[in-house]
Amino acid sequence: DIQMTQSPSSLSASVGDRVTISCRASQSIINYLNWYQQKPGKAPKLLIYTASSLQSGVPSRFSGSGSGTDFTLTISSLQPEDFGTYYCQQSYGTPRTFGQGTKLDLK
Amino acid sequence: QVQLQQWGAGLLKPSETLSLTCAVYSGSLDGYYWSWIRQPPGKGLEWIAEINHSGSTNYNMSLKSRVTISVDTSKNQLSLRLRSVTAADTALYYCARLQGPHVRRGVTRESYFDYWGQGALVTVSS
Repeated sequence: DIQMTQSPSSLSASVGDRVTISCRASQSIINYLNWYQQKPGKAPKLLIYTASSLQSGVPSRFSGSGSGTDFTLTISSLQPEDFGTYYCQQSYGTPRTFGQGTKLDLK
Repeated sequence: QVQLQQWGAGLLKPSETLSLTCAVYSGSLDGYYWSWIRQPPGKGLEWIAEINHSGSTNYNMSLKSRVTISVDTSKNQLSLRLRSVTAADTALYYCARLQGPHVRRGVTRESYFDYWGQGALVTVSS
């Protein structure tokens, strides 16, 4: 199975901050990497697919980059509604695996 | 706007069978794969299995011996059955649509989960 490791596991930031979350795969997944945001009690929401494509309706302050084994999600200017938990997920193969999550909260 | 609506028994005893259904509204099962994903309380996401409209499946091998997934195209629904549950199966269970440029041809690489159900909490307790 492809293991996905996110860092950091938790992060405190302020509105307006630039935030980056990293995701590393245990083997090359080319660019088959997706990012999701989850709020408490809600289903995950797709933000970025295939490493850098912005899902329709997602604000442009979210961006993704990377290839091979190392990927990054960046929020250029943090907004109050961006707090929650972020997950990366590989779609290179099955089983489809997720990172352990990065909890982003208000400093 | 595609909507996924889930339901099923919420409280089970050890050794019983979990049974969940997910109905797809404003969209077709055809052309996509449909997954089940679970999340234990306070923990991360675990992919369980997926199926397309013609019944082609992929399973997480860690659960395959206990899992059955199926589709009912006449009702636009998919179902999950998980046998012999234990407390470790306590989780929020989601159905989700797997989308991607090649999914219609059965190639699920380069895919992503674009629509999710609301989740169904299943608790296993004696």
